[in-house]
Parts: sequence; structure tokens; C-alpha cells
Amino acid sequence: GAVVSQHPSWVICKSGTSVKIECRSLDFQATTMFWYRQFPKQSLMLMATSNEGSKATYEQGVEKDKFLINHASLTLSTLTVTSAHPEDSSFYICSARDPNRYGYTFGSGTRLTVV
Amino acid sequence: QKEVEQNSGPLSVPEGAIASLNCTYSDRGSQSFFWYRQYSGKSPELIMFIYSNGDKEDGRFTAQLNKASQYVSLLIRDSQPSDSATYLCAVKESFTGNQFYFGTGTSLTVIP
Repeated sequence: GAVVSQHPSWVICKSGTSVKIECRSLDFQATTMFWYRQFPKQSLMLMATSNEGSKATYEQGVEKDKFLINHASLTLSTLTVTSAHPEDSSFYICSARDPNRYGYTFGSGTRLTVV
Repeated sequence: QKEVEQNSGPLSVPEGAIASLNCTYSDRGSQSFFWYRQYSGKSPELIMFIYSNGDKEDGRFTAQLNKASQYVSLLIRDSQPSDSATYLCAVKESFTGNQFYFGTGTSLTVIP
């Protein structure tokens, strides 16, 4: 139980293009999902909290217009990196909590490389 | 600024030994504490959580919490090469809140 699916697992895109990453809770409903970014040899940094049916809450320093989050259903949140640049290259991970379990489950992560 | 600190390592232990991973946190009001394991290029997976002072055991893993010292640790008994990974300590402010604060992780290598 408590499976979070993330897609794609890796993506390479050209500078200036947009990339969409999907995060799905497969066997539970998640009113809240979280998006993290992790640079090599660094810890996870929370980017934003995705709330079903309402606007996402962004952490300080994260550009809302660049990292668009949509949480249109109880099982799906998407993160769109708009006008991507090489410095956006990172490992993006989503997580969610099954209300019937303690602790949070992470998606498998998306390795984004912007060239 | 809430901080979670871990020694980055690398920590090397021989197979069969006990690996001890430590974590300190700055927010005295923190309520729950998590240990995640992350293999290279993969996302973190939950190993254990603890929210009461003392020890909590699960198989080869034991989490220890001392709120007075703002210290949480993870012991891995009978370490195996497959335990080689980065271990992340995470602290949550409250039982109902959602905000996690992660340490930078400790890299563990178990030598066969």
C-alpha cells in the first residue's frame, strides 16, 4: 500500500522549453502532495505544497511562475518547469501521505537534464 | 531557521558490525522524527519513525530519541553491504503539520 507513482523517471529537454512531471497516488487519496528538489550530494529541499482544488503553497525563493503546480484531483499533482534552463537540472521528487498510514511515501523521482 | 544536522560521512563499517547514524535538530518543538534510506539515483524510502523518547526497534534497526538533547539516532545491527546508502534524518514540526525538514544525509558504506 501507499504507492506514489512519478512520471517520467528521467527527461532531457532543450533550454527554454517546458517539462511536465506527474505524481500519482495509486492506492490512496492525497489532498496534499509535496514537491522536492535535490541537487547532487545535497538533501531534499521542499519547493512547494500542492493542495487539491486550491493554489499551491511555495517555499521562499521558489518562483511560482516558473514552477507551475496543478492538483486537479485527489490522486494527481503535476509540476511544470517552464522555460527550463540548465540550472534547473536536478532530481525532482514528489511525496504524499496515505491518511491510513504514518509517514510519507516518495515517488520514484524525475531526473531532469536541461541542455 | 529550523535546522537538521547530520555528519555527511562517509561512514564505513565492516559487514556484521553496528552502524550508528546521528542527527541533531534545532527546533525544540519538533514532534516526530523519521529516518529515510536513499540509494544513489533513487528516491528516499522510509525506514522508521519515532516520536517518543527512548528506543524503538524494528528488525535490525533501532531508532533512539532524546528530546531534551534534541538528538535522534539510528543504529543498524549486523550491517550488510545492501545497507550501503545515504541515510536522511527528517524532522516534522507537529503531528498534524506537513512541513518536513531534512538533514543533508550520512553516506554509509558497509564493507564486505
